[in-house]
Amino acid sequence: KQEVTQIPAALSVPEGENLVLNCSFTDSAIYNLQWFRQDPGKGLTSLLLIQSSQREQTSGRLNASLDKSSGRSTLYIAASQPGDSATYLCAVLFGNEKLTFGTGTRLTIIP
Amino acid sequence: GAGVSQSPSNKVTEKGKDVELRCDPISGHTALYWYRQSLGQGLEFLIYFQGNSAPDKSGLPSDRFSAERTGGSVSTLTIQRTQQEDSAVYLCASSTRGGGHYGYTFGSGTRLTVV
Repeated sequence: KQEVTQIPAALSVPEGENLVLNCSFTDSAIYNLQWFRQDPGKGLTSLLLIQSSQREQTSGRLNASLDKSSGRSTLYIAASQPGDSATYLCAVLFGNEKLTFGTGTRLTIIP
Repeated sequence: GAGVSQSPSNKVTEKGKDVELRCDPISGHTALYWYRQSLGQGLEFLIYFQGNSAPDKSGLPSDRFSAERTGGSVSTLTIQRTQQEDSAVYLCASSTRGGGHYGYTFGSGTRLTVV
């Protein structure tokens, strides 16, 4: 069964710290992996997309890595800010074209 | 359009009524997904359309739920005889291919409340 898991479910860190969010998946036959953020009561905003042939993608203070062989991805956020507070979702497009989401990590940045 | 558009943004309906939710994907996108998200929960896959292929309906929770996609563009999700447990945010996403290389873009969702 194709599953996506995100740990921890919730994370609180002081402003300014660097942090890492984790995503693991059970099937290495993937097309790509996408990180989203979701603010309360809002839709999903795409942050980074990593193709199966890539190992990492960067956008500003965000860096996402992909290790297909171990079924893991990380989202690194540098110099965290209160505006980074949101739920972060990892979504994997498996080879059968089923886009599967993790349950998310609720991040709180403490001013 | 510039993004995925969903309407209405909010819908309150009485139990037992039928509702239709609309999704306008980005022009030219061939792949379209419907998900729902109940309060405090993750995203639950409902249905997937890819081009002219038969849709993957494996996520529809009951036969009260149906969806169609006309002309490979606009999609409508219909819920018949709504129940209170149908209350959720319904999200639509589209992409240029069957998952392809471009990732998925989500609409802002329709918040459905069944009273």
